[in-house]
Amino acid sequence: EPEVTQTPSHQVTQMGQEVILRCVPISNHLYFYWYRQILGQKVEFLVSFYNNEISEKSEIFDDQFSVERPDGSNFTLKIRSTKLEDSAMYFCASREGQGTDTQYFGPGTRLTVL
Amino acid sequence: DAKTTQPPSMDCAEGRAANLPCNHSTISGNEYVYWYRQIHSQGPQYIIHGLKNNETNEMASLIITEDRKSSTLILPHATLRDTAVYYCIVRPAFGYSTLTFGKGTMLLVSP
Repeated sequence: EPEVTQTPSHQVTQMGQEVILRCVPISNHLYFYWYRQILGQKVEFLVSFYNNEISEKSEIFDDQFSVERPDGSNFTLKIRSTKLEDSAMYFCASREGQGTDTQYFGPGTRLTVL
Repeated sequence: DAKTTQPPSMDCAEGRAANLPCNHSTISGNEYVYWYRQIHSQGPQYIIHGLKNNETNEMASLIITEDRKSSTLILPHATLRDTAVYYCIVRPAFGYSTLTFGKGTMLLVSP
């Protein structure tokens, strides 16, 4: 069964460093998402992406964040200058198309900022 | 914030049915009810969704009341691996719309 994959599973970085989290969505899906979950808190929406542009973003997704689909398979989240409060699980999700299509989530990347 | 209300926790004996309630009294006509679960910080896993009819798949059944103001997710024979946080989410049928997660219900399945 097709699934969303994410790499790395765990990333440790120093405050102020740039990180890139990678996702491979399900191959025929057109809509892509990033969510995050700070330890012990709710899953929060960051950004959605369709047709090579951001379609929606939350107030969390400030200028320090960017997303890209550099090729036909990868979808990346970049954090330009990490802060301690960026430590969280980051989940990528994808869905096929419009309507009631379901979002399928990857296993997540645990980001630890020291 | 999520437009749903769920109990914070529930217990269920292994092999018994787990019935997880959700109130969504402000649901509008074009909104679907989705259920996801999250096992110990893994990625949320889709379970089932519905609009107004009851739905069943290999994982669960979804019962939606006639007025659509509440629903129940039923795991017919809960196993220890069903221990997870279960999220009930309402989402419009169309558009880019994202999923808004609440705190969900922590279901503990015990031997």
